[in-house]
Order: sequence, then structure tokens, then C-alpha cells
Amino acid sequence: ETGVTQSPTHLIKTRGQQVTLRCSSQSGHNTVSWYQQALGQGPQFIFQYYREEENGRGNFPPRFSGLQFPNYSSELNVNALELDDSALYLCASSLAYGGAGNTIYFGEGSWLTVV
Amino acid sequence: AQKVTQAQTEISVVEKEDVTLDCVYETRDTTYYLFWYKQPPSGELVFLIRRNSFDEQNEISGRYSWNFQKSTSSFNFTITASQVVDSAVYFCALSGHSGGGADGLTFGKGTHLIIQP
Repeated sequence: ETGVTQSPTHLIKTRGQQVTLRCSSQSGHNTVSWYQQALGQGPQFIFQYYREEENGRGNFPPRFSGLQFPNYSSELNVNALELDDSALYLCASSLAYGGAGNTIYFGEGSWLTVV
Repeated sequence: AQKVTQAQTEISVVEKEDVTLDCVYETRDTTYYLFWYKQPPSGELVFLIRRNSFDEQNEISGRYSWNFQKSTSSFNFTITASQVVDSAVYFCALSGHSGGGADGLTFGKGTHLIIQP
């Protein structure tokens, strides 16, 4: 086990609704990132947080937002859900930002279905 | 832009056979990092290996081995004497000089490995 925990594990939402996914980083890790993995695809980088600020973002619209808390836990919020948002959402944590290839550890993910 | 190609969508072998998963990458960075992850049906990505661009030594860990060749931009993964428990989707990933920081990891589409008893 990596020590990265996510909740909820599965959820179903209706198009247009909002969703919040949560993540607890591995102990001692101060950097958290989120990925979206559509069925049959590789994970896609959404954004990264370090010291409670977003410091990197992939090709995702502003309705994808996040928070990192002082204890390094994190939330991913998605507004105005679309059917294409149905995916596995993976949280990952690592130690220090900008480190030389620090290993990134992933949680088991939250399966989101939008109907 | 960075890109990772895993041309093998699915591989099926019989237990105890050796199997190699291919990974080809593209990057303009001179310093970069390569990763392999295993994803069982539960969904969690299990870290297997990290290699930086300056270290071309091959690595062996038990039944697993990795062949990194900068000349061909490849980072292939071999499982020797495969076992049913090796069945999973395997992802190759690439990060830039920040080591998967602000730019995140770029993943391939994955190779679904099926080990038949």
C-alpha cells in the first residue's frame, strides 16, 4: 500500500451537478497531484498543488479546481459535470516539489460516473 | 511536447513464459525521468521503477528487468517466468526535468498483460 487514500471510491452524479473528491497524502509528502483516467486510456494530468497553491496544470478547463490543506490533504472539485467527466480520478503524492524525479505514489482512485 | 507510446495494446502469454512490454518516448528535455506503473483491476497505480535520463544502466529486480536505450528512446520492461499475479495493465510514463512536478507525468495508453495458467 502507498499510504495515499481517496474517498469516495465510487459515486454517481447527474450531468450539471458538482462533485468533490478527497485525498489524504502519504505521510511526509507535501505535494499532491490529480489525474483523470478515462476507460481504456492512460491517466491525464489535471493539476498539482504544493504548499497549498496550484503550481502546475494540464489541459483541463477551470471548472476543475482543487484545494490543498495545511495537513497536505487535498480536494478535487468539478463543477457543471459533463458525461465525458466519467472516469477514474487518481490522487498522487510525492515529497517536495521540483525534486529530481521524486517518486510519485498513487491512491486507488475514485470512480465517477456521470449520467 | 512529450509523448509516450505503448504500441502493444494487449499481450497474452502462458504462465512461465517471458514477456517484454515496449515503451517509446519523445521529449525535448535533456533531463527527464521514466517510470513504469502496474495497475491491477482495483485501479491503484503501483510504482515499479523510476529511471533518470543520465542512468542508462539496465536494472533487474527479481523477475522484473528494464532496458533503457536513449539511442532509440525506449524503456522496455521484461517479466521473466511470468505468473498469473502479473496480470494487469502496465503503464510507462515520462516526466520532464522537474521530475513530475508542475508538468505532471505523461502516460502511455498502457499494455494489458494477460497471463494464462
